[in-house]
Amino acid sequence: GAVVSQHPSWVICKSGTSVKIECRSLDFQATTMFWYRQFPKQSLMLMATSNEGSKATYEQGVEKDKFLINHASLTLSTLTVTSAHPEDSSFYICSATGLAGGSWDEQYFGPGTRLTVT
Amino acid sequence: EDQVTQSPEALRLQEGESSSLNCSYTVSGLRGLFWYRQDPGKGPEFLFTLYSAGEEKEKERLKATLTKKESFLHITAPKPEDSATYLCAVQVGNTGKLIFGQGTTLQVKP
Repeated sequence: GAVVSQHPSWVICKSGTSVKIECRSLDFQATTMFWYRQFPKQSLMLMATSNEGSKATYEQGVEKDKFLINHASLTLSTLTVTSAHPEDSSFYICSATGLAGGSWDEQYFGPGTRLTVT
Repeated sequence: EDQVTQSPEALRLQEGESSSLNCSYTVSGLRGLFWYRQDPGKGPEFLFTLYSAGEEKEKERLKATLTKKESFLHITAPKPEDSATYLCAVQVGNTGKLIFGQGTTLQVKP
């Protein structure tokens, strides 16, 4: 199956600082990448949809000025958590998919990034 | 409103004891139903995609089936290494986004 990587795998930062998380599709071109957040013992909640070369689409309730998403190429998307606060501590997971022949391919997930804001 | 509900929340099995996990969905315009396995502290691992009622897919001890209202993940003679959280997700619309259920945490005891 397709491989998606994330960096870093975990990060600790101080309140008020910004953190950037990278998501890469290693062996395929991802026309679309998705960013999810997962709190302990809860399921994945979609934060935003990122298409290469265009602005991200954010889900209702997600602050676009706080969670900056850039999808500069078909293999890289970044999520920047600006002015992070302890309530932003969570497990952030990206996924990547391609659109082939008019149908969506399977969606492959990265290993996740554990963010802890102190 | 699109909704995905998984049951049970948790399941404990003895090694070799077969069982099924349920995923019920209420969505407008199902494009696909996905099953993932997630180990603690890791991202979901893709298992299956089902697209139409009556479709079945198998992989080792796992078999996924789909009807118009629900999907089942059957686990035959499970082993301790099958212990994980199993997530069901539906894809709706034309954006590729997935709506996840809460998951079923499976524990298989030797």
